[in-house]
Amino acid sequence: GQNIDQPTEMTATEGAIVQINCTYQTSGFNGLFWYQQHAGEAPTFLSYNVLDGLEEKGRFSSFLSRSKGYSYLLLKELQMKDSASYLCAVRDYSSASKIIFGSGTRLSIRP
Amino acid sequence: GAGVSQSPSNKVTEKGKDVELRCDPISGHTALYWYRQRLGQGLEFLIYFQGNSAPDKSGLPSDRFSAERTGESVSTLTIQRTQQEDSAVYLCASSLGGANTEAFFGQGTRLTVV
Repeated sequence: GQNIDQPTEMTATEGAIVQINCTYQTSGFNGLFWYQQHAGEAPTFLSYNVLDGLEEKGRFSSFLSRSKGYSYLLLKELQMKDSASYLCAVRDYSSASKIIFGSGTRLSIRP
Repeated sequence: GAGVSQSPSNKVTEKGKDVELRCDPISGHTALYWYRQRLGQGLEFLIYFQGNSAPDKSGLPSDRFSAERTGESVSTLTIQRTQQEDSAVYLCASSLGGANTEAFFGQGTRLTVV
């Protein structure tokens, strides 16, 4: 089975940096995804990590440590539009490679 | 089509009625997922189709829930004898099916059981 943990809520200030952590336990890790979901909308893909290290994409970066079962999403130069839920998800090849999501972290940005 | 399409976008039904939700994946995507999202909560896995393999139905909450997929195209999620606790947004996603391919989501069907 899979177990994915991330904080329920976080608050940060416009222009600052925030790090959202995700820990996971799976039988057969085969990649980790981060998605963004604005209220009332569908999730949209942000990043994918399958090897250890940092993947950078503009203001967003994602890090993975497979040995620790740990990932984080780093958001820089926060903007008000970054207020959303951020979902960590894992693909597990021992479960037919389906993608399982954590409960999400609701990020609020204050001016 | 350009993206994943779901219909209807909203459905209000009476308790005890059956409902059918439809998902049109992106053309060429072999993998298709159904998730349920209750208000303010995360995505709950329901069922996963991958090509011609037997679907992974391990997330279906009860035998009132079933899903079908025709080849690598349209999928329908059927909920029989709906209950109030079935009220949620039902999200469909599709992907190319490779290990490093992300899933693309439809806009969901908001189901309200009254």
